[in-house]
Amino acid sequence: GAVVSQHPSWVICKSGTSVKIECRSLDFQATTMFWYRQFPKQSLMLMATSNEGSKATYEQGVEKDKFLINHASLTLSTLTVTSAHPEDSSFYICSGGGPSGVRQYFGPGTRLTVT
Amino acid sequence: GQQLNQSPQSMFIQEGEDVSMNCTSSSIFNTWLWYKQEPGEGPVLLIALYKAGELTSNGRLTAQFGITRKDSFLNISASIPSDVGIYFCAGQLHDTGNQFYFGTGTSLTVIP
Repeated sequence: GAVVSQHPSWVICKSGTSVKIECRSLDFQATTMFWYRQFPKQSLMLMATSNEGSKATYEQGVEKDKFLINHASLTLSTLTVTSAHPEDSSFYICSGGGPSGVRQYFGPGTRLTVT
Repeated sequence: GQQLNQSPQSMFIQEGEDVSMNCTSSSIFNTWLWYKQEPGEGPVLLIALYKAGELTSNGRLTAQFGITRKDSFLNISASIPSDVGIYFCAGQLHDTGNQFYFGTGTSLTVIP
């Protein structure tokens, strides 16, 4: 149980375009979802925390107008990278947790390449 | 964000050897977790620790939550080739929204 999926698993886009990544909890309701970014050979960096039905909370240094997060339901959160640039190329990973928030379940990640 | 430092950064060991890695932080965490990540995939939870001093095992893996709540270690006994991967510690803060903050990672290579 506790499966989180991400779609797409990889995407290539041109500089200046926007890309949407979906994160779904398949068999549980995710009260909170987290979005991470991971550059090659580096750790996962928390970008933002989203709670269903409310605005996301962004970590310091993460541009909220560039990385739009929507958590419209208890099973779906989306991350939209707007006006993507090559430096946004990264591995984006989401995780979802239940009401207690203690246990988090990670998605398989989305590889974004901006050309 | 929070800074969690892991050491060593990388390890090359012979199959059958034991492995030890640790994670330290300047902040106190409520929960410490250890994950393994393989290339192109999301992290997979290995062990979760919920109180200071707790020592928990999962097969050949053993992890401890430091008494000060600012550190944790992970041991792998009798390593095998499939242990290869990057191991991350993560600390969780309950008071500010259950965010996870990840350590810098330890890359493990097991030589058959």
